[in-house]
Amino acid sequence: AQKITQTQPGMFVQEKEAVTLDCTYDTSDQSYGLFWYKQPSSGEMIFLIYQGSYDEQNATEGRYSLNFQKARKSANLVISASQLGDSAMYFCAMSSSNDYKLSFGAGTTVTVRA
Amino acid sequence: DTGVSQNPRHKITKRGQNVTFRCDPISEHNRLYWYRQTLGQGPEFLTYFQNEAQLEKSRLLSDRFSAERPKGSFSTLEIQRTEQGDSAMYLCASSGGGGPQETQYFGPGTRLLVL
Repeated sequence: AQKITQTQPGMFVQEKEAVTLDCTYDTSDQSYGLFWYKQPSSGEMIFLIYQGSYDEQNATEGRYSLNFQKARKSANLVISASQLGDSAMYFCAMSSSNDYKLSFGAGTTVTVRA
Repeated sequence: DTGVSQNPRHKITKRGQNVTFRCDPISEHNRLYWYRQTLGQGPEFLTYFQNEAQLEKSRLLSDRFSAERPKGSFSTLEIQRTEQGDSAMYLCASSGGGGPQETQYFGPGTRLLVL
């Protein structure tokens, strides 16, 4: 069984600053993938970034980077230079080589202040 | 726009009525997933298809729920005899044939309210 834990229910960040969203996971699989999605108030889940368990380098996509620490089973998302449009719910999720479905955490609400 | 689409976007129904939702995946994707999300929670897996075959169903999918993907393209999710506890956002996602760690792309969801 896979489990994703996001311990921060909500966070405030000043515009143009960076914010780190925590995600820890638990799995017995050796091959797995970690994903971050953004969900604005409109409801659509927007894919942000992916990290494979065998990837040696941390993934980056524009202002998003994933701080992957395999031994600690953590996959934190860093959003740099926050913008007002970054205000949303953010979900960490994972899938494994034996399981196509995504397991999601409870999410973190990010509010960017001007 | 070639993303995942879902219809309707909103549905209000009375308890005991049947409802049906439709999902059109990204055209070249062979896998299609349904998730349910209640307020303040992360999405929970319901079921998934590879082409027209339904390969896995969650125990959340009671016998009042049925999903189909008749020609391996669009999918429908039907809820019979709706209950107030069925009120949720129903999300559809699709992915290509690149293995279990391929990225799933989501549609805008269908918000269901059962009165």
